[in-house]
Order: sequence, then C-alpha cells, then structure tokens
Amino acid sequence: TQLLEQSPQFLSIQEGENLTVYCNSSSVFSSLQWYRQEPGEGPVLLVTVVTGGEVKKLKRLTFQFGDARKDSSLHITAAQPGDTGLYLCAGLDDKIIFGKGTRLHILP
Amino acid sequence: EAQVTQNPRYLITVTGKKLTVTCSQNMNHEYMSWYRQDPGLGLRQIYYSMNVEVTDKGDVPEGYKVSRKEKRNFPLILESPSPNQTSLYFCASSLLSNEKLFFGSGTQLSVL
Repeated sequence: TQLLEQSPQFLSIQEGENLTVYCNSSSVFSSLQWYRQEPGEGPVLLVTVVTGGEVKKLKRLTFQFGDARKDSSLHITAAQPGDTGLYLCAGLDDKIIFGKGTRLHILP
Repeated sequence: EAQVTQNPRYLITVTGKKLTVTCSQNMNHEYMSWYRQDPGLGLRQIYYSMNVEVTDKGDVPEGYKVSRKEKRNFPLILESPSPNQTSLYFCASSLLSNEKLFFGSGTQLSVL
C-alpha cells in the first residue's frame, strides 16, 4: 500500500518567518502535487512536480521533488497570514494518493 | 467559469433516511471521484469513475453508492445513512485519473 507521510501535522509561526514542510513515502511516484485547502473550501492545486530533483517556485513558495521521486518539500519564505491553510501533498501513479496534510497557521 | 458544483453545502439527517449529494462539473472531464475528509484521517476516496457508466470502489466504499449516467454528473447516494458517515464530503474531477483535480466546495453531512 502506498502511503504519504506529511510532517509536521501542525505548525504555527509568526508572520515573516520561514518554514518547510515535508512529504515522504517509501514508494516512487510518477509525479507529485501540492494542494492548499482553506476553511470551507475544497483543495486547490498549487503545483505539480514531475522530474526527480525538480524545483518549482510560486512567489514565496518553493517546491522540490526528491531525486528518487519518493519525497517532496514545500518551503515558504516570509510567511504571510494569507498562507494559513491545510497543505496536502498527493502522489500520482495510476491513481492519486493523498497525505493527511500539514495544518499551517501564520500569526499576524 | 470552470467549476465543480456540489449540493447541498450542509445537510443534517437522521439514521436510515436515504439521501443524495449531487455533483456536477462543466469541464467535460472524464474522471470524477468522491472523497470524505475526517480529522486525523485525511482525504479518503469513496468511489471514482473513469468515464460514463464506469465506476469503481475507492478505499472506503461501504455504505455508499454512485452512478455516472452522464459525463457531467456523479451523485453520491447513501441508502441508509449511519452516524459514522458524518463527515465532510468532496467531489472532484479531472481530465484524466492522474492529472490535476478540481474539487467542489464540500458538503458537511451530519447523521444523527
């Protein structure tokens, strides 16, 4: 059974700080996605990484796919209150497998 | 506007009273799926459909039914709801099964 472990489960930091959250698996995925879910809404795709070692940037968010395509990280620089939400990683092979998410709270 | 629409947003019902949660997408997507989201358990797939008239069980299908008679619609049916089906439900669609998922806004179901 393919599993995606996300860490930490919860993170509360001050506005302006940097942070990294992780998504790890023992399985290899063809690609990996990161979604953000805000209260009262469904998850929204932020990025898809496909190649081992790939790095993608979305403003202050940096996503990296591990060389072996088993893990990924999301780094946020100078976190803002608008970054608050549940961050979900999803591994793709013949189906999509979701991690349980990291709940991020940015304090103003 | 491209979207996945689910209704209702909130539903309170009693044990055993059949209900249907509707889901519709306007993007001509082949793939549609239902998830439930519970604290500590994350998103778990209930059923999915690769195309019209093709449906398959996900990870937690017990107590649920689905149908895919038209490409745009994928209703979730609870024939005899029980309290353990109290959850936040999401419908999602994508062009193909391993591509970007578009999610609806969710249906919060409470079964008393």
